[in-house]
Amino acid sequence: GAVVSQHPSRVICKSGTSVKIECRSLDFQATTMFWYRQFPKQSLMLMATSNEGSKATYEQGVEKDKFLINHASLTLSTLTVTSAHPEDSSFYICSATTGTTPVDEQFFGPGTRLTVL
Amino acid sequence: QKEVEQDPGPLSVPEGAIVSLNCTYSNSAFQYFMWYRQYSRKGPELLMYTYSSGNKEDGRFTAQVDKSSKYISLFIRDSQPSDSATYLCAMSASGQNFVFGPGTRLSVLP
Repeated sequence: GAVVSQHPSRVICKSGTSVKIECRSLDFQATTMFWYRQFPKQSLMLMATSNEGSKATYEQGVEKDKFLINHASLTLSTLTVTSAHPEDSSFYICSATTGTTPVDEQFFGPGTRLTVL
Repeated sequence: QKEVEQDPGPLSVPEGAIVSLNCTYSNSAFQYFMWYRQYSRKGPELLMYTYSSGNKEDGRFTAQVDKSSKYISLFIRDSQPSDSATYLCAMSASGQNFVFGPGTRLSVLP
């Protein structure tokens, strides 16, 4: 199956700093990448959808100026958490799709655990 | 009402038991259904995919869809401790833009 990697797997930062998380599709070109946030024992919450070369589409309630998404190529998307605060501490997961039909399976990365002190 | 609902559990069963995991949904347009398994601190991985109504079997896993009741199920036979994970259902009307349920945490006790 298709492989999606994320880097870093874990990051600890101080309040007020910015953190960048990378999501890469290793063996396929991803037409679309998704970013999710997952709090302990809770479901995946879709934050935004991004297509290569275009602006990300953010879900209602997600601050686009705080969670900057750049989809620079068909294999790389980055999520930057700007001016992070303790409430941003969470598990961030990306997924990628190949654009196949009729079912566009999402391949998930292993996630990045962000802790903001 | 949430679009997709799942009992969050935790569901604890003894090894060897048959496990039934379920999701209900409100959007009658959904016709693509997926089950994902997520181990602790890992990303979800696709287990089963079904289209429209009916059953699909893959080894110890069986997925059922009842569109008339807007209800889907995942059965695990001969459950193993390695099946302990969170199981998420996901569904879509078009095969794109899947909506995920909150997940059910399963613990299979040896």
